[in-house]
Amino acid sequence: NAGVTQTPKFQVLKTGQSMTLQCAQDMNHEYMSWYRQDPGMGLRLIHYSVGAGITDQGEVPNGYNVSRSTTEDFPLRLLSAAPSQTSVYFCASRATGGGYTFGSGTRLTVV
Amino acid sequence: KQEVTQIPAALSVPEGENLVLNCSFTDSAIYNLQWFRQDPGKGLTSLLLIQSSQREQTSGRLNASLDKSSGRSTLYIAASQPGDSATYLCAVRERDNYGQNFVFGPGTRLSVLP
Repeated sequence: NAGVTQTPKFQVLKTGQSMTLQCAQDMNHEYMSWYRQDPGMGLRLIHYSVGAGITDQGEVPNGYNVSRSTTEDFPLRLLSAAPSQTSVYFCASRATGGGYTFGSGTRLTVV
Repeated sequence: KQEVTQIPAALSVPEGENLVLNCSFTDSAIYNLQWFRQDPGKGLTSLLLIQSSQREQTSGRLNASLDKSSGRSTLYIAASQPGDSATYLCAVRERDNYGQNFVFGPGTRLSVLP
């Protein structure tokens, strides 16, 4: 099925560990984004990409890195996990002029 | 800075009622507006996308309207069903260089009682 695939669905990390959240889409969308969703804070943009090789920071980029080597993949890297990064992470993609398609999310807990 | 609000924060209605969810935004310079539903513990499912040049979009029992000048959108759900219970979020896409930044509202949590 076409769409946005995120892995893993759940993850527990210890403070200071690093990890990569994977995101892949098979719709040939140019735009991809990472959001985090926290109670009372809503959805906030972390990083986004307007095409392969092009990325930019969103509202809350600190502690996260991204890269976009292909159109399909947009991984999010946590460099040194902190409890404040406990959240649900969503990847989304869209075509030019279109609306967003979201992945099912990764629920991350940092202890 | 664009701010998106949604009223009410929560709504509980009996099955069969027609209902309206409201979304307001502070900057009318938007590219489009999108309505989503989110079930507990799940991702966001797109319901309707309204371009800035459009006034409304319809899909089944759902109708979304857009009034850019007043900074408002409404989502109308006809003949509500228990399966409509979810959180409904609106998001506006701002007109910037890449048109990339979507700003989300906090959502309206809807419960439809059998």
